Amino acid sequence: DVKVTQSSRYLVKRTGEKVFLECVQDMDHENMFWYRQDPGLGLRLIYFSYDVKMKEKGDIPEGYSVSREKKERFSLILESASTNQTSMYLCASSPLAGPKFYEQYFGPGTRLTVT
Amino acid sequence: DAKTTQPPSMDCAEGRAANLPCNHSTISGNEYVYWYRQIHSQGPQYIIHGLKNNETNEMASLIITEDRKSSTLILPHATLRDTAVYYCIVRGFHAGGTSYGKLTFGQGTILTVHP
Repeated sequence: DVKVTQSSRYLVKRTGEKVFLECVQDMDHENMFWYRQDPGLGLRLIYFSYDVKMKEKGDIPEGYSVSREKKERFSLILESASTNQTSMYLCASSPLAGPKFYEQYFGPGTRLTVT
Repeated sequence: DAKTTQPPSMDCAEGRAANLPCNHSTISGNEYVYWYRQIHSQGPQYIIHGLKNNETNEMASLIITEDRKSSTLILPHATLRDTAVYYCIVRGFHAGGTSYGKLTFGQGTILTVHP
């Protein structure tokens, strides 16, 4: 059974803190994605990676960075957390190419609150 | 990518088939139809995708009309656990740019399965 896991389901951080969200997949997928989901705004892509050490900006990369040192692990970093980064963060993975690229498997999500 | 239109909500009795329609009249020849669902407070879940032939897997069937302008997702024996928001997404393949890799969820159809 395919599996994407995220380090925390709920997280509360203070403004200005550096925040690390971890995602691990066990499907040997090349692609990994970080989205955030907010009411009324839908799913928005922050960053994605198609290979180790490779990354591409999504729609809303400002205030975020990512790290992919191993194929199975993709980390999202909030350099200095702000209240407008309070959101549900979703990690996903998919095979490399062709129509399966959009066959994305999601983790359970991390609900981050920045106070 | 083609725009999709789905009814905002549908009801279904437990044990009956749920048929969820999607219009995508501007779909082009190399675009696939993907279906996802999101159960409350969980990450989105990939269901199925297709190009022009009907597809079936352990979760659902996908029927695409011959002109490809619409499709129907069929859950053959709906259960209470199938209550969720269902999203129909059309995606082609455009290498490069921030749209590559991004899944865009519209409003979807809220399916409520009743006992």
